[in-house]
Amino acid sequence: QKEVEQNSGPLSVPEGAIASLNCTYSDRGSQSFFWYRQYSGKSPELIMFIYSNGDKEDGRFTAQLNKASQYVSLLIRDSQPSDSATYLCAVKTGYALNFGKGTSLLVTP
Amino acid sequence: DAGITQSPRHKVTETGTPVTLRCHQTENHRYMYWYRQDPGHGLRLIHYSYGVKDTDKGEVSDGYSVSRSKTEDFLLTLESATSSQTSVYFCAIGGGGLAGVGTGELFFGEGSRLTVL
Repeated sequence: QKEVEQNSGPLSVPEGAIASLNCTYSDRGSQSFFWYRQYSGKSPELIMFIYSNGDKEDGRFTAQLNKASQYVSLLIRDSQPSDSATYLCAVKTGYALNFGKGTSLLVTP
Repeated sequence: DAGITQSPRHKVTETGTPVTLRCHQTENHRYMYWYRQDPGHGLRLIHYSYGVKDTDKGEVSDGYSVSRSKTEDFLLTLESATSSQTSVYFCAIGGGGLAGVGTGELFFGEGSRLTVL
């Protein structure tokens, strides 16, 4: 089984701080990586994806990929209480996505 | 939101009864997926479909069957429900394509919460 690992948290950060969420994966051949946000009782929604080593920025979100270390991260700048959710890392495996168990983020006012 | 509708959204049933969950899409996507989500396990793939009448098993397919008779509908059936199948079931569309960048992202339906007593 190809693994996607995330720290379950909760990760607690104060409002306005940078939240850093991390993910490691076991399949060295993986090419596509995704971050989803899931609010309690809701379905996962795509935040962003990354394919190339380095950083990819979209608004307050930055995804970072290091294929040599098999590591993906998501940075959330200027964290807001509305960012409090579970963040799921996903790796493309064959025709589907393989998900980590998610990291719970709590942004405190 | 992607045009994905799941039904029923909530269901309570008894052990041993058959249950069918329906996923309907209006996006004409070739690929459709069923995942289940449980505390401590995250999202796990049950089955997926890569076209009409074309399906394949995922990580946790035991006790489940699927059918896809038309592009827009993907059905998940529990032939004889067990308490271990109490879960939230998500349908997703998109993905597909083995090679190349620019493919793979999935869009999820609202979920179907199933309780097996």
